[in-house]
Amino acid sequence: AQRVTQPEKLLSVFKGAPVELKCNYSYSGSPELFWYVQYSRQRLQLLLRHISRESIKGFTADLNKGETSFHLKKPFAQEEDSAMYYCALNGGIQGAQKLVFGQGTRLTINP
Amino acid sequence: DTAVSQTPKYLVTQMGNDKSIKCEQNLGHDTMYWYKQDSKKFLKIMFSYNNKELIINETVPNRFSPKSPDKAHLNLHINSLELGDSAVYFCASSQKPPRPGHPSSSYNSPLHFGNGTRLTVT
Repeated sequence: AQRVTQPEKLLSVFKGAPVELKCNYSYSGSPELFWYVQYSRQRLQLLLRHISRESIKGFTADLNKGETSFHLKKPFAQEEDSAMYYCALNGGIQGAQKLVFGQGTRLTINP
Repeated sequence: DTAVSQTPKYLVTQMGNDKSIKCEQNLGHDTMYWYKQDSKKFLKIMFSYNNKELIINETVPNRFSPKSPDKAHLNLHINSLELGDSAVYFCASSQKPPRPGHPSSSYNSPLHFGNGTRLTVT
């Protein structure tokens, strides 16, 4: 079964502190994983994907197949990072993505 | 020049009514989707169309009927609305990946989401 688990519904850290949003997945094939973010009053948008191996807005995420995890990390949180974060797994077929989302983590950065 | 637009933004209606939500994308994408976000913020795929052809149909009551008149539009019609249909419905689009074997075939284009339609059934 395809499943994405984000164990923390809410996460609150102080500005400048490191932040880690946890994501674990269950998938029998080769996973394609994403982090999507929804800032206040904005639409859901892609933050990063594991294939790209890039850092976006200071965030990185490494796919760990042994632990079936794709945790999102940032060394120094900023207030503008406050948002809803969704981890997602593509369990789709050629021609369409079938993103399976976690329940989301609401990240609040305190000044 | 909104990329993916849905209307209406809010929809309040009574049980038993029939309603439609419209979605349009101007990105030239081949594939469009409907997702449902429940009260616990779970986002779950309902349907996907590629070039007007239905390719993903999750376990959704047949009261829900998507219609794609062209690849830029994917509308969602809901018959006999029930209380449990209350949710936020998101439309999204993406570009079909290149053919297998192509250097970029492993890259799916990201989903571009609309702002959502909050449906409340009373």
